Amino acid sequence: EVQLVESGGGLVQPGGSLRLSCAASGVAFSGSVMHWVRQASGKGLEWVARIRSKGDNYVTEYAASVKGRFTISRDDSMTTAYLQMNTLKIEDTAVYYCTRQGSGTSWFDPWGQGTLVTVSS
Amino acid sequence: QSALTQPASVSGSPGQSITISCTGTSSDVGGYKYVSWYQQHPGKAPKVMIYEVSNRPSGVSSRFSGSKSGNTASLTISGLQAEDEADYYCNSYTGGTTPYVFGTGTKVTVL
Repeated sequence: EVQLVESGGGLVQPGGSLRLSCAASGVAFSGSVMHWVRQASGKGLEWVARIRSKGDNYVTEYAASVKGRFTISRDDSMTTAYLQMNTLKIEDTAVYYCTRQGSGTSWFDPWGQGTLVTVSS
Repeated sequence: QSALTQPASVSGSPGQSITISCTGTSSDVGGYKYVSWYQQHPGKAPKVMIYEVSNRPSGVSSRFSGSKSGNTASLTISGLQAEDEADYYCNSYTGGTTPYVFGTGTKVTVL
């Protein structure tokens, strides 16, 4: 069964840092493009970041709202993707989902269950 | 990159058909065939329902169909059922430095 499991969410003060993890199983992880998408409570989905595969030199891209503060990375040997979040703001409070884009595809499947990040003093 | 525009809510009676629109620009929806649709039930993760404008993943009901005309993509649900009540989001590739954008989301209510 294809599965993505996020972890690392929690409560952090404004200006603080947090690292999210996304462990994958049952998928061809190394050839996949991995993404993070977030959703504030009662709001819509917002694309956050993606990291391409080794074949595409692990190129990364970010939403303007997080560029310069968030860093996406991956460890293919551990079939895990990460999202390092620094200089967190109150508006970063959301459920963070990781999702996979298969090699040669353009859609997101599967999705993890999400991990809640709360930025508050 | 601005979010794609969807109606906030759409409703219908069981058995009816409804259509959700997703309006973007020539830089996203109108420029690529890479439009997908996601269903999200409360407290759950999104699930892909349509990819590349009109393709259904294995396991998704044939009652769900997608299309595109110009800068607007559409998701149609035929034979509406109670289990279809959920939020629906479109997504498009943009080819820009922010390569993907979601729609604003549509709440579907089965009356």
